[in-house]
Amino acid sequence: RKEVEQDPGPFNVPEGATVAFNCTYSNSASQSFFWYRQDCRKEPKLLMSVYSSGNEDGRFTAQLNRASQYISLLIRDSKLSDSATYLCVVISVESNYQLIWGAGTKLIIKP
Amino acid sequence: GAGVSQSPSNKVTEKGKDVELRCDPISGHTALYWYRQSLGQGLEFLIYFQGNSAPDKSGLPSDRFSAERTGGSVSTLTIQRTQQEDSAVYLCASSLAGAGGGSPLHFGNGTRLTVT
Repeated sequence: RKEVEQDPGPFNVPEGATVAFNCTYSNSASQSFFWYRQDCRKEPKLLMSVYSSGNEDGRFTAQLNRASQYISLLIRDSKLSDSATYLCVVISVESNYQLIWGAGTKLIIKP
Repeated sequence: GAGVSQSPSNKVTEKGKDVELRCDPISGHTALYWYRQSLGQGLEFLIYFQGNSAPDKSGLPSDRFSAERTGGSVSTLTIQRTQQEDSAVYLCASSLAGAGGGSPLHFGNGTRLTVT
């Protein structure tokens, strides 16, 4: 089993819809979590950190479920510009603080 | 302030030649990472520098790859005797503290390496 797993997609979603996807992790000692977005042929860019209590940034909501070992990203009122690949990152003490990257979920917003 | 700067942005080289890729991290960032990414693939960890500690080289794919970080700032990734499978985008990232501090990474634009 991979340490961090994401559904590769693509998720095809109409503009204005709400979409959510998860990222599961295997190491229960994981302590820091992030969502990045990566546009085609561009570098990853930090979207948001994920806090234990959940956090929101505009149309984006991130949540952490430690019991089931996954983080989620919800995008409301999706825009065409949200089309990208969304990468999750997990940091764990037991992996010697290495960042473990998911392979990404591809999201396509259609007009 | 300035972000992570990488140079060159594109590099085409002949098989067997050596190449040097440069990364200038965000000022004050103690941690520096090198990754590479092939088209349509995920990030592949190469090497991690944290302050004055010995670098984590566990991701370097072969002894043709080496990296150094001088003065805790600029880093150079060197690939000797390049092979076609080395073709990829090489991404550098820096963070304020090491991964243990929970700091997010900030990436440069990458160097697109093509080995012909």
